[in-house]
Parts: sequence; C-alpha cells; structure tokens
Amino acid sequence: NAGVTQTPKFQVLKTGQSMTLQCAQDMNHEYMSWYRQDPGMGLRLIHYSVGAGITDQGEVPNGYNVSRSTTEDFPLRLLSAAPSQTSVYFCASSTGVWETQYFGPGTRLLVL
Amino acid sequence: DAKTTQPTSMDCAEGRAANLPCNHSTISGNEYVYWYRQIHSQGPQYIIHGLKNNETNEMASLIITEDRKSSTLILPHATLRDTAVYYCIVRPLNNNDMRFGAGTRLTVKP
Repeated sequence: NAGVTQTPKFQVLKTGQSMTLQCAQDMNHEYMSWYRQDPGMGLRLIHYSVGAGITDQGEVPNGYNVSRSTTEDFPLRLLSAAPSQTSVYFCASSTGVWETQYFGPGTRLLVL
Repeated sequence: DAKTTQPTSMDCAEGRAANLPCNHSTISGNEYVYWYRQIHSQGPQYIIHGLKNNETNEMASLIITEDRKSSTLILPHATLRDTAVYYCIVRPLNNNDMRFGAGTRLTVKP
C-alpha cells in the first residue's frame, strides 16, 4: 500500500490564482481530512469527510472547498489564493471517524 | 484551544529514556489521549493512544494518571532519529477533530 499520497509536494501561486491540492489513499479508509500547519504551530483542521459524498467544515474552512466523489480521493480547492494561505497542507485518513489518523507527506504552498 | 499543555522543549541523551509530560486537566470521560510526532518537514506520525489504562506498543509507553488529568509518553531508549516535535492531543470519542497544539520539541543528543 502506498498509504496517503499528496500532490504536488510544493507549489507557488500568485494572489488570486486557484488550484487544487490532491490527496489519495489506497487503504479503503472512510474518513479523510485536511489540515494546515503554519510555522511554529500545530495543525488546524480545514475540512473533513466521513465518506463518499459527505463533507463538513473544520476549524478553519474559509477560502477552501472540498468534495468527496470517491472513497480514495479528497481534493482541496483554493478558489482565490491569498498570502494568508501560505502554509503546509496535510491530508489524513482513517478507517472511521473515531480511529487513528494516518498522514500524508504534505504539500508546501507559497502564495505571493 | 488544544486543551493540553506541554513543555516547549526537552533534551534527552541517546540511549536513555525520554519522558514527555502532558497536562489535560479538563479532559472529559469520553476523550482519548493521543500522541503523535512530527519529524522535520514530514507528516505527523501516530505513536500511541489511551483512555484510562496505561498502554505500550513497539514505539512507546503511555502512562495516564488515575484522575486522567495528565499523562506521560515514554520512549524507553531514545535514538537520534527520535528527535521530533511530539504532540499530545485530547480527542473526543465521537469525532476526529484533533486539535494539535505547539507540542514539545524533543532533541536527542549523542
């Protein structure tokens, strides 16, 4: 199993541009989530999904959209990038909402 | 609002036990204590979790006080590769909203 994979590893955007961060898992996990991590800080939950077709907001959802059309994929969309969205983004998955989460390697995003 | 308090940093000698404390005085009866670590630039890695009883796995031991208001993660024989930021997280049983705080930066020294 590849586990949780994320692409791209690194991205530079200009203010106002849009992009999608990809996350995929091959463990048949129902629960997936997105976090952001700013320098010197812990992770903050952006959005999560308890299964295909179901998503919900976390602690810091503004400026981000998600969808979950398949069990395997959980993309995160930035509609209009802002410098405040410069961060490292981590995707995670687990077998259920109450189970241990496993994290991907992260995507480093720089918004100029 | 991570609901936990950890020291900012700690040092440990290689080969010795590393004992990382965590205070969670407002923990509820349905909340687990989780420990993750993050090695530089990598995604967080699950270590161990517990509810009431002490737990042990191949990576570490988790000691939870009887009143559950604090816990200690023990790495029995720390190696240089254990240098990382260690997060103590209190998580409700019914959801997976894990609130990471700033964690403890553990440095294992030769």
